[in-house]
Amino acid sequence: TQLLEQSPQFLSIQEGENLTVYCNSSSVFSSLQWYRQEPGEGPVLLVTVVTGGEVKKLKRLTFQFGDARKDSSLHITAAQPGDTGLYLCAGDSNYQLIWGAGTKLIIKP
Amino acid sequence: GAGVSQSPRYKVAKRGQDVALRCDPISGHVSLFWYQQALGQGPEFLTYFQNEAQLDKSGLPSDRFFAERPEGSVSTLKIQRTQQEDSAVYLCASSLAYGFGEKLFFGSGTQLSVL
Repeated sequence: TQLLEQSPQFLSIQEGENLTVYCNSSSVFSSLQWYRQEPGEGPVLLVTVVTGGEVKKLKRLTFQFGDARKDSSLHITAAQPGDTGLYLCAGDSNYQLIWGAGTKLIIKP
Repeated sequence: GAGVSQSPRYKVAKRGQDVALRCDPISGHVSLFWYQQALGQGPEFLTYFQNEAQLDKSGLPSDRFFAERPEGSVSTLKIQRTQQEDSAVYLCASSLAYGFGEKLFFGSGTQLSVL
């Protein structure tokens, strides 16, 4: 069974701080997607990483795919209250996505 | 429409009642997925359609769950004889095509509470 483990499960920090959240698996994925989900809404895709070692930047968010395509990280620089939400990673397995349980992030002003 | 639309947004059902949840995908999107999301968890796959064909229903938790997409656009997820453990948010997602890395667009979900 393919599993994606996300850590930490919960993170609460002050505005302006940096943070990194992780998504780990023992399985290899052809691609990995990061989503952000706000309460009462569906997940919204932030980025897809495909190549081992790939780094993608989205403003203050930096996504990295592990060399072996088994893990990924999301780094946020100078976090802002608008970054608050549930961050989910999902690994591509055929047409299905295997989802992590998410990291709930709260940025306090 | 501009996005994936799900209705109703909230549904309260008495145990044993049948419910029907509707999903309107983005026009022209071939693939449609149903997911179940428990509180504090990531979505869990239920079923997948490519146009009107249900290609995978391996995630449906029991034979009380049934999904259809008869004309390859709107889809309905039906749950018969609801149980308390069916309480969750049911998410629908669509994508333009089939294949790895395809961008999924999610609806806002239907929050089902079974009393």
